[in-house]
Amino acid sequence: DTEVTQTPKHLVMGMTNKKSLKCEQHMGHRAMYWYKQKAKKPPELMFVYSYEKLSINESVPSRFSPECPNSSLLNLHLHALQPEDSALYLCASSQGRPISTDTQYFGPGTRLTVL
Amino acid sequence: AQSVTQLGSHVSVSEGALVLLRCNYSSSVPPYLFWYVQYPNQGLQLLLKYTSAATLVKGINGFEAEFKKSETSFHLTKPSAHMSDAAEYFCAVTADRGSTLGRLYFGRGTQLTVWP
Repeated sequence: DTEVTQTPKHLVMGMTNKKSLKCEQHMGHRAMYWYKQKAKKPPELMFVYSYEKLSINESVPSRFSPECPNSSLLNLHLHALQPEDSALYLCASSQGRPISTDTQYFGPGTRLTVL
Repeated sequence: AQSVTQLGSHVSVSEGALVLLRCNYSSSVPPYLFWYVQYPNQGLQLLLKYTSAATLVKGINGFEAEFKKSETSFHLTKPSAHMSDAAEYFCAVTADRGSTLGRLYFGRGTQLTVWP
């Protein structure tokens, strides 16, 4: 099973709302990632968790707050977003500590629209 | 630092024709290279990866890529295109170096269109 699941598939929120994106994997992977992808662009790395600890934050605004409650679950909490934050948010996981030869397995993404 | 350049943001081929998607990399250390495919409204799926073993790498769905150090290239090919190959293709590079460990650097992507 090489599946990463993400919920919800679509999310529409106002700029004053608080919402959360969820990502789950049951492959025993210990590295998990959040990416943001705008239309017709490559994914941009946001956060990396390694063994449930935040190891990389790519200078993401504080209105995005990641959380890794356990090795299978990754959340992205959203608050006071801007319309320019509308994008496809992708979660990925890889086997152990992030190393360069490991394959990252991607989920289908959450399509976020901020009004 | 590592980076990749994908030549051609759009490639169109007829069904049954050769598919060639170009990727050139820049890396100051031995690179590891990946090709991912993204179908509409989906996440990314790994097609193949080069991790310094064989220079000719075979992947899923009949795709393959050849690592050419002298040309700093990792072009993706498929002998005969199928309608189902229509998608966005991303080349990515990473390398074993300090703080960039495990970080994928993506190219801008190539949209492949397959005509019947």
